[in-house]
Amino acid sequence: TQLLEQSPQFLSIQEGENLTVYCNSSSVFSSLQWYRQEPGEGPVLLVTVVTGGEVKKLKRLTFQFGDARKDSSLHITAAQPGDTGLYLCAGAGGDTGFQKLVFGTGTRLLVSP
Amino acid sequence: GAVVSQHPSWVICKSGTSVKIECRSLDFQATTMFWYRQFPKQSLMLMATSNEGSKATYEQGVEKDKFLINHASLTLSTLTVTSAHPEDSSFYICSARDLGLAVISSYNEQFFGPGTRLTVL
Repeated sequence: TQLLEQSPQFLSIQEGENLTVYCNSSSVFSSLQWYRQEPGEGPVLLVTVVTGGEVKKLKRLTFQFGDARKDSSLHITAAQPGDTGLYLCAGAGGDTGFQKLVFGTGTRLLVSP
Repeated sequence: GAVVSQHPSWVICKSGTSVKIECRSLDFQATTMFWYRQFPKQSLMLMATSNEGSKATYEQGVEKDKFLINHASLTLSTLTVTSAHPEDSSFYICSARDLGLAVISSYNEQFFGPGTRLTVL
């Protein structure tokens, strides 16, 4: 069974601080996606990374895919209260096949003003 | 573009009744839709993969007769929770793959609905 472990599970920080969320697995994925989910809503896709070592930036968010395509990280610079939410990584391909997404355990972020 | 809707957004029912949840892709065609379940403060757990015109593929441990899935068209999949019990209370989320994107992309991007909160009394 493929598992995607995220760390930390919960993070509470002040506005303006930087943070990094990690997504780790022992399995190789053909692509990895990051989502943000707010309470009572579905996940919203932030980015997809597909190449080992790839780095993508989305405003204050920087996503990196590990060289071996087994892990990924999300770095947020100068966090804002609007960044509050549940961050989920999800891998596609590998043992589960192309169609399915395997979701990570999730990181709950709270940014206080 | 790539909007997925779910109906209802929330439902409360009595134990023993059946509840149907609809998932629609509003501006694209989806040969494949997915149904997830999410418990409070937890991640998404895939329940089944729904393919248009064929039987759904259920994940291990998910009861087929309990969670009936129908994918009758390229824009609609339904999940029926039969004889619901309090332990079925959860947040149910569907997602869909854009047929057009699926042809040209290997990224397996899925677009998620807003979810349906089911409470069984």
